[in-house]
Amino acid sequence: SQWGEENLQALSIQEGEDVTMNCSYKTYTTVVQWYRQKSGKGPALIILIRSNEREKRSGRLRATLDTSSQSSSLSITGTLATDTAVYFCATSGYNKLTFGKGTVLLVSP
Amino acid sequence: DPKIIQKPKYLVAVTGSEKILICEQYLGHNAMYWYRQSAKKPLEFMFSYSYQKLMDNQTASSRFQPQSSKKNHLDLQITALKPDDSATYFCASSQTGTNSNERLFFGHGTKLSVL
Repeated sequence: SQWGEENLQALSIQEGEDVTMNCSYKTYTTVVQWYRQKSGKGPALIILIRSNEREKRSGRLRATLDTSSQSSSLSITGTLATDTAVYFCATSGYNKLTFGKGTVLLVSP
Repeated sequence: DPKIIQKPKYLVAVTGSEKILICEQYLGHNAMYWYRQSAKKPLEFMFSYSYQKLMDNQTASSRFQPQSSKKNHLDLQITALKPDDSATYFCASSQTGTNSNERLFFGHGTKLSVL
């Protein structure tokens, strides 16, 4: 899980495998955004899920949101080497997004 | 074709000096932000501006001063640099800054190393 005092999480898998990353957040949010950051680049939004949605899909991505447990997950099916990146969940707050510590995903060809 | 331009990409400074990090966005957005990323604190929020007005400041030190000369510019001046300031500084923008659910668009960052 990304939040709190946990260290940055790291996952190493083979191309073609499926992977799920988890995120728990502390404060109320109406939206959870998932960002991907590739080496040497800034983060980029990959999927956004609202509090009235339990699941959101976009291509090989699937996000879930459980507002009762204040947790979200991001799944990637059929991973590719190009999915190698750091994945952050972010929650909305007054005038800013707050990011979790991130999950490092390494996908080997 | 990057829509958020940060200059320089890499910056080396000596302790005690002053540097300015440049950010310009060409997305037509009205809100701009600075985030800092280091090994200790990934993607830490620093400032947010909306319509050229400071909305939020989470930076404890007054050594960090944002400067907005135009709606699409938000530079970051850092004075009396310390080695602990070494990090990658990301500029970001969003449509208005008044809707907390807006997505952010990030620049490529300025990697600052303070010796």
